[in-house]
Amino acid sequence: EAGVVQSPRYKIIEKKQPVAFWCNPISGHNTLYWYLQNLGQGPELLIRYENEEAVDDSQLPKDRFSAERLKGVDSTLKIQPAELGDSAVYLCASSSGLAGVGSEQFFGPGTRLTVL
Amino acid sequence: LAKTTQPISMDSYEGQEVNITCSHNNIATNDYITWYQQFPSQGPRFIIQGYKTKVTNEVASLFIPADRKSSTLSLPRVSLSDTAVYYCLVDGGYSSASKIIFGSGTRLSIRP
Repeated sequence: EAGVVQSPRYKIIEKKQPVAFWCNPISGHNTLYWYLQNLGQGPELLIRYENEEAVDDSQLPKDRFSAERLKGVDSTLKIQPAELGDSAVYLCASSSGLAGVGSEQFFGPGTRLTVL
Repeated sequence: LAKTTQPISMDSYEGQEVNITCSHNNIATNDYITWYQQFPSQGPRFIIQGYKTKVTNEVASLFIPADRKSSTLSLPRVSLSDTAVYYCLVDGGYSSASKIIFGSGTRLSIRP
């Protein structure tokens, strides 16, 4: 069974440019998460979806970040415009069933973003 | 907000048992405790999850006292390949008062 797929794996852009990350969760997983991870820190939740509904986006900086999961399957996270401080690894994870209710998260390899 | 606190780093030797404790004083009633392992350039990987008392699987044990304000991950007979960062996570789902917070994790180094 394929794991969580993310693309691209690496992205280098100049500040003020837009960037998008794509995630395809494990088949059948209803819950999808986007995290940001800075070097030496733990993952920080940006947004959590149950199917196509964003059930927790309280930590998503909505002035420049947006996300969508239109058909409740794959998802896109966008930053526009990117800032130097957005350089980090962006992780996508998925889980079956309701988030947190005895449900393990499966993580993708992440996208390493460098903003110059 | 169920924040977790873990030691920043730990060192041990091959063949030893390693115990990593996590504090989560504000854990909510319906929160689960989950531990993840992360190697460099990879996403975190699930190790074990529990709600109360003791849980054991093929790679680890998780001990949770009655008040659930802390938990201890136990890795028996560690090897060099167990060198990684270990995260404790408290999560009760979006309906819970808790938010998903990984914390900074514990960097475990295993020596020969």
